[in-house]
Amino acid sequence: AQSVTQLGSHVSVSEGALVLLRCNYSSSVPPYLFWYVQYPNQGLQLLLKYTTGATLVKGINGFEAEFKKSETSFHLTKPSAHMSDAAEYFCAVSESGSARQLTFGSGTQLTVLP
Amino acid sequence: EPEVTQTPSHQVTQMGQEVILRCVPISNHLYFYWYRQILGQKVEFLVSFYNNEISEKSEIFDDQFSVERPDGSNFTLKIRSTKLEDSAMYFCASRVVRSEQYFGPGTRLTVT
Repeated sequence: AQSVTQLGSHVSVSEGALVLLRCNYSSSVPPYLFWYVQYPNQGLQLLLKYTTGATLVKGINGFEAEFKKSETSFHLTKPSAHMSDAAEYFCAVSESGSARQLTFGSGTQLTVLP
Repeated sequence: EPEVTQTPSHQVTQMGQEVILRCVPISNHLYFYWYRQILGQKVEFLVSFYNNEISEKSEIFDDQFSVERPDGSNFTLKIRSTKLEDSAMYFCASRVVRSEQYFGPGTRLTVT
C-alpha cells in the first residue's frame, strides 16, 4: 500500500523567498512521484514528475523536486516565490504497473505575501 | 494543446436521484480514471478503466457507482442513488502508456 504525507497544510512565504513544500511517501515498490498544483476553482495541473533516472527533476514555472530514496522524500522547491504561485499543491505517488492509480497527499496551501 | 474536458461544471441533485458525470478524455489516451475530492479533503482515487473494463477500484467505488465508455470519446461516471456524502468535486483523468495522468477541470456535485 502507498501513502503520502505532506508536512504543513498551510505555508506562507514572502514574494522572492524560497518555497519549500515537504512530501514524504511510503511505497512497497519503487515509486513514481508527482507534484500537482490546483488553482482556485480549477483542476489539477502537473508540475513535475519522477519516474526513473535523474533524481533532481525540473518542472514548470521554475519548480523542481529531488527524489531521495534514503529519506523517502520528494520535496518541492522554488528559489524565488511569485504572487502567481499561490495555490494548493498536492504530492502524489503511484506504483509502476498497468493501472497506476495515484495516491495523493492532503495538500499544502501556499500563500505568497507581498 | 489537447485537454480533458468534463461536463457539467456544476451539478445539483436531490438525494436519491441518479446522476451521470461526463468526461471526454484526450483522444489517443488509453487509460481513464475518476477521482473525487470532498471539500477540504485530499483527492481520492475511485476507479481506473482500460480496454473497456475496470482495472482497479477503491473501497469508495461501491455498487452505487458505475463507469462506462459508451462510444469512442466519452467516459462517464454514474451514481445510481446519490447520498449527501457524495457531494464532492469529481475529476476525470486520462493517460497513454508510460505517461502521467492529465486531469480535467472537474465537476462539482452538490447533493441536497
